[in-house]
Amino acid sequence: GQQLNQSPQSMFIQEGEDVSMNCTSSSIFNTWLWYKQEPGEGPVLLIALYKAGELTSNGRLTAQFGITRKDSFLNISASIPSDVGIYFCAGQTGTYKYIFGTGTRLKVLA
Amino acid sequence: DTAVSQTPKYLVTQMGNDKSIKCEQNLGHDTMYWYKQDSKKFLKIMFSYNNKELIINETVPNRFSPKSPDKAHLNLHINSLELGDSAVYFCASSGPGAGGYGYTFGSGTRLTVV
Repeated sequence: GQQLNQSPQSMFIQEGEDVSMNCTSSSIFNTWLWYKQEPGEGPVLLIALYKAGELTSNGRLTAQFGITRKDSFLNISASIPSDVGIYFCAGQTGTYKYIFGTGTRLKVLA
Repeated sequence: DTAVSQTPKYLVTQMGNDKSIKCEQNLGHDTMYWYKQDSKKFLKIMFSYNNKELIINETVPNRFSPKSPDKAHLNLHINSLELGDSAVYFCASSGPGAGGYGYTFGSGTRLTVV
């Protein structure tokens, strides 16, 4: 079945560093979403992307909809300790339906 | 607060029991979902209801039965619980646009079957 692969699987970085992660698929998507999940909570929507090549920012976060429509990227600039969590990409596979990526676990060392 | 609320937060039960998880949203959304997150944090859709009508029903054992009494509520009943049902179950909702604006998730129900 469809699968979204995220890389890296996990990252340990120093506070203040920039972070890059990506999400790839064998299928084309028309919508890409990026979520963050903190321990004991549900995923929270960070950024939504609707058009190939689109670049959208939300504070220190910037996400891009890949030109091939099979991938998406998320960058976090100047990381802070509260950026810790699991970051998920999600691609819309049909009406109301998304498939989620495998997640990138981010740890920030102060 | 506008939100998606799930109860209970934690549920520990023995194999073979029947249990329910309740979900309510006050966001005015038309569509609600149940997702399962396994121990590796993989999120997989189980069911979706739009205005009380079942629109997504993934390959889920028929021991799982969702019920939507109105568009603000979506409950999940699980019969004859098995060890493999242990997971975190998330309720979510979405507004207009066939989910194109993404979901709002609840904080999850951690189910442990012993």
